[in-house]
Amino acid sequence: EAGVAQSPRYKIIEKRQSVAFWCNPISGHATLYWYQQILGQGPKLLIQFQNNGVVDDSQLPKDRFSAERLKGVDSTLKIQPAKLEDSAVYLCASSLGASSYMNTEAFFGQGTRLTVV
Amino acid sequence: AQKITQTQPGMFVQEKEAVTLDCTYDTSDQSYGLFWYKQPSSGEMIFLIYQGSYDEQNATEGRYSLNFQKARKSANLVISASQLGDSAMYFCAMRERGGADGLTFGKGTHLIIQP
Repeated sequence: EAGVAQSPRYKIIEKRQSVAFWCNPISGHATLYWYQQILGQGPKLLIQFQNNGVVDDSQLPKDRFSAERLKGVDSTLKIQPAKLEDSAVYLCASSLGASSYMNTEAFFGQGTRLTVV
Repeated sequence: AQKITQTQPGMFVQEKEAVTLDCTYDTSDQSYGLFWYKQPSSGEMIFLIYQGSYDEQNATEGRYSLNFQKARKSANLVISASQLGDSAMYFCAMRERGGADGLTFGKGTHLIIQP
């Protein structure tokens, strides 16, 4: 079974530029998450999709971050304009999506390491 | 207040010894789930073990076990017979019934196994 795919693996941009990350979840997984992991910290949830609808985006900085999940499969996360503090690893994860099942594990991709200079 | 607290930023352990990684949590929900993930230097988060708040027995998965003390709100991960390949970051995480089902993570413990 193929895992969660993310691209690119690494990205370096200047502040105020824009950047986009792509995620392809495990086939059949209805729930997709984007996490931000700043160096030395645990991942922080940015946004959660159930199919192509947003379930939780309470921690997404909506003035500069946006995300979409077209057709309930692939997802893109965009930052525009980027700030220095956006330097982090952006992790995508997916799960079967049964929010009624507490033990549903999330499967993570390898992440995109973003450096803003 | 921190929802997940991991008080050990780093640990050095001799190979083949057992190691306990601490995790305490804070929630007012009666129904919640606790997870441990391993993150090697490659960056991918690898699921290790799950404990539900209503589970009466401590969870075990191979060399991993979870020491769940509900009254103390702690969910420590125990790795028996540690191996060099166990060197990684370890994260404790929680899913609460009352919220959306995204995981809340602690800051992690960097475990280094020494030969």
